[in-house]
Amino acid sequence: NAGVTQTPKFQVLKTGQSMTLQCAQDMNHNSMYWYRQDPGMGLRLIYYSASEGTTDKGEVPNGYNVSRLNKREFSLRLESAAPSQTSVYFCASSETRGFGEQFFGPGTRLTVL
Amino acid sequence: DQQVKQNSPSLSVQEGRISILNCDYTNSMFDYFLWYKKYPAEGPTFLISISSIKDKNEDGRFTVFLNKSAKHLSLHIVPSQPGDSAVYFCAANPNTDKLIFGTGTRLQVFP
Repeated sequence: NAGVTQTPKFQVLKTGQSMTLQCAQDMNHNSMYWYRQDPGMGLRLIYYSASEGTTDKGEVPNGYNVSRLNKREFSLRLESAAPSQTSVYFCASSETRGFGEQFFGPGTRLTVL
Repeated sequence: DQQVKQNSPSLSVQEGRISILNCDYTNSMFDYFLWYKKYPAEGPTFLISISSIKDKNEDGRFTVFLNKSAKHLSLHIVPSQPGDSAVYFCAANPNTDKLIFGTGTRLQVFP
C-alpha cells in the first residue's frame, strides 16, 4: 500500500506558466482534498471532492482548478501561475464523511518566479 | 478569521519532560478534534483525536484534553523524546467533510 502519492515532488515555474499536480490514493477512499501550506498560515483547503464526480471549493480556491478523474485520482491545475502560489501543496484522502482522519501525501514544493 | 488557533508558534522542552501544546477554537459547534504531526519534507500524519462527548483521550505517551466550556484543547506528551521534534497541527471537524487546521506549533525536544 503506497497510501497517498503526489507528483512531482518539486517544481519551479515562471509567472504565467501552467501545470498540473497529480495525486492518487490506493485506500479506496471516497473523499480527497488539496491543501496548501504557507509559513504561519497552517494548512488551508483549496478544493475537495467528497466523491467521484463531485468537487467543491475550499477556503482558497482562486487561481486553481481540480479534476476528480476517478475514485483514485484527484489533480490540481494552476492555469496561470503567480508568485503568490509559491507554497507546499498537500493532497489528502479520507474514508468517510465527517469524522474520518485524513491521510496525507508527501507534498509538492512549488516555486513560482 | 482564524477558527482554530495555536497561539504558540514554537515550544522547546527537555527530553524526559512533559510537552504541552495548546489549541483554541471559536465555534462551539465543532464536535471532533484531531492532532497531526509533521516532520520536515513529509506530509502530516494523524496522531490522536477526541470527540466532544469526551474530555480526555490517551494513546501511549500522548493524551489530548478537551475543555468545551473554554473551547480549548491540549496535547500532552509524556515523556518527551527527541523523535517528537516536529510541527504539531490541531484540527477541528465541524461535522462536515472538511477539517479546519490551526497554524501549527513547532516542538523541539532537546537532550
